[in-house]
This record gives sequence, C-alpha cells and structure tokens, in this order.
Amino acid sequence: GQSLEQPSEVTAVEGAIVQINCTYQTSGFYGLSWYQQHDGGAPTFLSYNGLDGLEETGRFSSFLSRSDSYGYLLLQELQMKDSASYFCAVNTGGFKTIFGAGTRLFVKA
Amino acid sequence: DAGVTQSPTHLIKTRGQQVTLRCSPKSGHDTVSWYQQALGQGPQFIFQYYEEEERQRGNFPDRFSGHQFPNYSSELNVNALLLGDSALYLCASSIDRDRVIMANEKLFFGSGTQLSVL
Repeated sequence: GQSLEQPSEVTAVEGAIVQINCTYQTSGFYGLSWYQQHDGGAPTFLSYNGLDGLEETGRFSSFLSRSDSYGYLLLQELQMKDSASYFCAVNTGGFKTIFGAGTRLFVKA
Repeated sequence: DAGVTQSPTHLIKTRGQQVTLRCSPKSGHDTVSWYQQALGQGPQFIFQYYEEEERQRGNFPDRFSGHQFPNYSSELNVNALLLGDSALYLCASSIDRDRVIMANEKLFFGSGTQLSVL
C-alpha cells in the first residue's frame, strides 16, 4: 500500500521554531509538497521538493531525503496565524498526488 | 485573476439522491483534480481530468463520475448517495507542463463544497 505518516498534533509558542516530519512509502515518487489549511479554508501550496535538500521560502523551509523517504517542514518565527493543519503530499508520478492525514499546529501566545 | 471557484459551497442531500458539483479552474490552468476530504483527514484523490478525459482515478466506486468541458471547467457527479459520502469535496487545478512530472507539482485548491448526506 501507499502511506504518508506525519504527527497528528504539534503545539508551539509564538516566536518559536517547529518542525513537522513526514515519512512516506509509495509505489512511485517524483516529489514532496506541503500544504497549509486553515479551518474552513482551502489547502494552499507552501513548498515542493523534487530533489534532496533544503528549500527556503521566507519563514518556511522544507527538506527532503529521498534515500530515507523522509521530509520535513520547518516553520520559523511562529505567529498565531500559523495555527492550521499542515499536509505533506507525494507526487507519485502519473497524475496522482497522495496526501497525509495532516498535522494540526497550535500556536500559543 | 480569479482563483479556483467551486459551487455550491454547501449542499444537503438524502441517501439515494444524486449530486453535481462544479469547478472553474484558475485562469491559465488546464488540468482539474477532484479530492474528497473527510473531517480531520487529508484529501483523498478521486480523479483527474485533462483534455476533457479522465486520465487517472483513485479508489472510488463508479458512482463517482466526472466531466471536463472545453473551457477546462469540470463537474463531479455522485449517484446513489450514501451517508459515508458526507465530506468536503475539493477541486484542484494545475498546469500540464509536463504530462508525467510537473502536472502535480503545485495544486491550486478551491474552497470546496461541503456535502451532507442525511
């Protein structure tokens, strides 16, 4: 089967750094994406890693290790508005993207 | 520039009924994917449409069908509704720059249709 594993919940304080891990087991792999979804909202694209290494976009960074089937999303200088669900997603090749169950991030003052 | 738009935003149906959900992709996008998202879960891939044809399907029964129009907009149809079909249905659009690799690099999602089956 195909699976993506990520923690169900993470809590951190405003201004801190938080890392959300994702391990995957899929029949094909072309890249790892991260999406943010606020309650009642649409998932919005954050980052994509097609190759090993770190991608940085403002306060958000994402890392991929294809040999370890592992990636993470790093959020720095946390703000209250970062409280949301975060999904890792794998492009399995073909035309299908598989999503993890999501990590709910709570940012406390 | 309008993003992905879906209609209706909410829908209430009873078991056995049929429903049609609509999606207009982001301007310049030619590929539409449909996802089902249960409460507290990640989106589950239903199928993807390109050039008015379904080119990949997830693990959903034939009760789920779709269509893509020449203007790239799309419809999702669900027949013989079950209680378990209650979920948020998301449409995602993208650009098919490379048919194998890039089509799913970056998905733009609509806000979804919340379907409740009673």
